[in-house]
Amino acid sequence: AQKITQTQPGMFVQEKEAVTLDCTYDTSDQSYGLFWYKQPSSGEMIFLIYQGSYDEQNATEGRYSLNFQKARKSANLVISASQLGDSAMYFCAMREGSNDYKLSFGAGTTVTVRA
Amino acid sequence: DADVTQTPRNRITKTGKRIMLECSQTKGHDRMYWYRQDPGLGLRLIYYSFDVKDINKGEISDGYSVSRQAQAKFSLSLESAIPNQTALYFCATSDPRQSGAYEQYFGPGTRLTVT
Repeated sequence: AQKITQTQPGMFVQEKEAVTLDCTYDTSDQSYGLFWYKQPSSGEMIFLIYQGSYDEQNATEGRYSLNFQKARKSANLVISASQLGDSAMYFCAMREGSNDYKLSFGAGTTVTVRA
Repeated sequence: DADVTQTPRNRITKTGKRIMLECSQTKGHDRMYWYRQDPGLGLRLIYYSFDVKDINKGEISDGYSVSRQAQAKFSLSLESAIPNQTALYFCATSDPRQSGAYEQYFGPGTRLTVT
């Protein structure tokens, strides 16, 4: 079964607007972590934000915030005030348990920011 | 200088050839990983290593082998390359002692084409 599901293959957003990228996950572990990575057209993978399963507050990093809804098993990424440089593919990933030996990745969502 | 480097960055090889992809890191991390990325599938784990004496298979290890020559070096080999091994390959590192999030840091990727 798919551990991470990203249902939006591609999205368009107007510059300066906010965009929400969906991510749902499947795990039976109580301890897990959720990550978002950005992959621009140059190909590198850039770590954006992390949410631990026991964290009570939603994670924020600058213009990135993670909307963590534990009961729904969702970890959506919100990018506020989109910039042209935000155009990229975004991956949601999960680490299960307290051992970080494996990340399970979703298929990714391509975001295109329009001027 | 980049913390995680991969060589070569691009490689075209023929079916049946042996090829080695190399990864080096200056982050001082213990844990190293090899992933492959295919369109629409996200990243999938090939092998991972906790230290030079601890190497483990990931979800798609068939057709691949690895060598952890030192804490800082982790090589991936394709013993007899086949066309469906054409992909973007990433090396990553992590160290939970340095970050409570256990995030992984990725190299720039190696684009491999098997003809």
